Amino acid sequence: DTAVSQTPKYLVTQMGNDKSIKCEQNLGHDTMYWYKQDSKKFLKIMFSYNNKELIINETVPNRFSPKSPDKAHLNLHINSLELGDSAVYFCASSQVAQSEAFFGQGTRLTVV
Amino acid sequence: AQSVTQLGSHVSVSEGALVLLRCNYSSSVPPYLFWYVQYPNQGLQLLLKYTTGATLVKGINGFEAEFKKSETSFHLTKPSAHMSDAAEYFCAVSDPFQKLVFGTGTRLLVSP
Repeated sequence: DTAVSQTPKYLVTQMGNDKSIKCEQNLGHDTMYWYKQDSKKFLKIMFSYNNKELIINETVPNRFSPKSPDKAHLNLHINSLELGDSAVYFCASSQVAQSEAFFGQGTRLTVV
Repeated sequence: AQSVTQLGSHVSVSEGALVLLRCNYSSSVPPYLFWYVQYPNQGLQLLLKYTTGATLVKGINGFEAEFKKSETSFHLTKPSAHMSDAAEYFCAVSDPFQKLVFGTGTRLLVSP
């Protein structure tokens, strides 16, 4: 009965490939996020959606494209993967602005 | 812009000793502040949060934090460390644009 679930948990792929990470939340929240955690554990927001609409798009390469088919789902598609994309990607959701975010278990992406 | 500084990338304590993890914030608006814990290969779990009202907030697992506006601090404490407390701890501030800005994290090491 996971609140925020991401798939896959691990993803190993070659440079140049295209991959997707899926996220679903069953909390009824209106806002969903993608965060990136680098090898030094630093967490930085990438995108935020509110009720299927993009509201935050940090300086992320165009190769990253989020898609929200409904407010319970936020997927992340990455084109032409690069070595530097290797990181842990976390999906999260929150009910209202400035409330706490609930995080998924993360997807560890390794580009070789 | 909002920012968070966590002093000390590593903190070591003995089991039973006081835990003190430091967090200072910068915010142009009244801040909403959070502490999250991350266990190895896990997502982030909310420990506690400050929004408004009482400045001493209690969280899960015996942790508490005090919001001190004059010192722009939100330090996390626990009277007696347990081995299971060993993890990475993140302080975060929520900005008006619905995103969490995280500190760089503090790894808590607990020795027997």
